[in-house]
Amino acid sequence: GNSVTQMEGPVTLSEEAFLTINCTYTATGYPSLFWYVQYPGEGLQLLLKATKADDKGSNKGFEATYRKETTSFHLEKGSVQVSDSAVYFCALRTINRGGKLIFGQGTELSVKP
Amino acid sequence: DADVTQTPRNRITKTGKRIMLECSQTKGHDRMYWYRQDPGLGLRLIYYSFDVKDINKGEISDGYSVSRQAQAKFSLSLESAIPNQTALYFCATSDPLNTNYNEQFFGPGTRLTVL
Repeated sequence: GNSVTQMEGPVTLSEEAFLTINCTYTATGYPSLFWYVQYPGEGLQLLLKATKADDKGSNKGFEATYRKETTSFHLEKGSVQVSDSAVYFCALRTINRGGKLIFGQGTELSVKP
Repeated sequence: DADVTQTPRNRITKTGKRIMLECSQTKGHDRMYWYRQDPGLGLRLIYYSFDVKDINKGEISDGYSVSRQAQAKFSLSLESAIPNQTALYFCATSDPLNTNYNEQFFGPGTRLTVL
């Protein structure tokens, strides 16, 4: 079946450090891939997306590249800020599930000044 | 004003009680979803609705029911609450005409505690 696996958290970094959050997936067909972010006390919001192999999604300094050969969609940011502290969810959507999303377990990021 | 609202934001109840969580949206989207979030498990889909007359079970629908009263409203009910239904519940919407990537828009969540 379809599934998403993320690196476990929590991840604690100092401000301006480099961030990588690993995400791998299992899916039939050609899924679209997403990163959602959940700030404290809020709902999830879309951070970035990629719809086909080798696409790079980017937003707010975050990037992720759709790697079909390694079935991965790792999230990176070159210099994190305290305001990036949140929970990050990797997700996939396959056409044959009618647009529904499958989420990873989430990775909590804490950035210290 | 928020596009997707949920009421209540927090609720504490007792085992066996009937609880209804409500979701309203002003985005004009046909598709609506209910998820629960548990630590270490991410979000899991409970029910989803593609329009007022189309309601479907998700991966963890047992113990829950839903009602799509209108395009803008989608309610989740726990007929007889049990402690392992303690979780954070999210409503979401999406626009099927946005076929580029089908982004979902989430409400702020309802924290439910069943004692």
